[in-house]
Amino acid sequence: DGGITQSPKYLFRKEGQNVTLSCEQNLNHDAMYWYRQDPGQGLRLIYYSQIVNDFQKGDIAEGYSVSREKKESFPLTVTSAQKNPTAFYLCASSGRTAHNNQPQHFGDGTRLSIL
Amino acid sequence: KQEVTQIPAALSVPEGENLVLNCSFTDSAIYNLQWFRQDPGKGLTSLLLIQSSQREQTSGRLNASLDKSSGRSTLYIAASQPGDSATYLCAAMEYVNKLVFGAGTILRVKS
Repeated sequence: DGGITQSPKYLFRKEGQNVTLSCEQNLNHDAMYWYRQDPGQGLRLIYYSQIVNDFQKGDIAEGYSVSREKKESFPLTVTSAQKNPTAFYLCASSGRTAHNNQPQHFGDGTRLSIL
Repeated sequence: KQEVTQIPAALSVPEGENLVLNCSFTDSAIYNLQWFRQDPGKGLTSLLLIQSSQREQTSGRLNASLDKSSGRSTLYIAASQPGDSATYLCAAMEYVNKLVFGAGTILRVKS
């Protein structure tokens, strides 16, 4: 089945540690996104990538880093500079069209907590 | 800066009732308006996408409308069922593929 796979489902970070969240898609989508969701809040955009080897900061990029070396993969690293990393992280992808009429498809998320 | 607000924050209705969820946005210069469903601990599922040039979209028991001039969208759910219980999020697309989300409406349909 085509879709987006996020792993792990649950992740724990120690003080001063960097952790990497995986996102893989087999939908042949050009664009990929990372969002953060806090309780009772909507999703906030961390980073997005419209094409391989290119990505842009979203609204809350500080303390995070990404890479886009392959079309199907868009890993997110939560660095030690992110002081409040506890949240639900969602990865999404969409086809890139001139008319912006492609909905975003989401993975099932990774819940990150601090030890 | 675009802001998206959803009212009510939570809603509880008996099974079979028709209901309306509201979404408002501050900047009318949007490419489209999207509605999503989120089940507890899960990702988002796309329900409806309304292009800025459209007034409404329908899928089964769901109907979404868009009024750009007033900055409003509504999601109408007909004949609600317990399986409709979830959080419903709306999102406005500001520019190429950048979505701004509301905080969501938590819906509970009682059997």
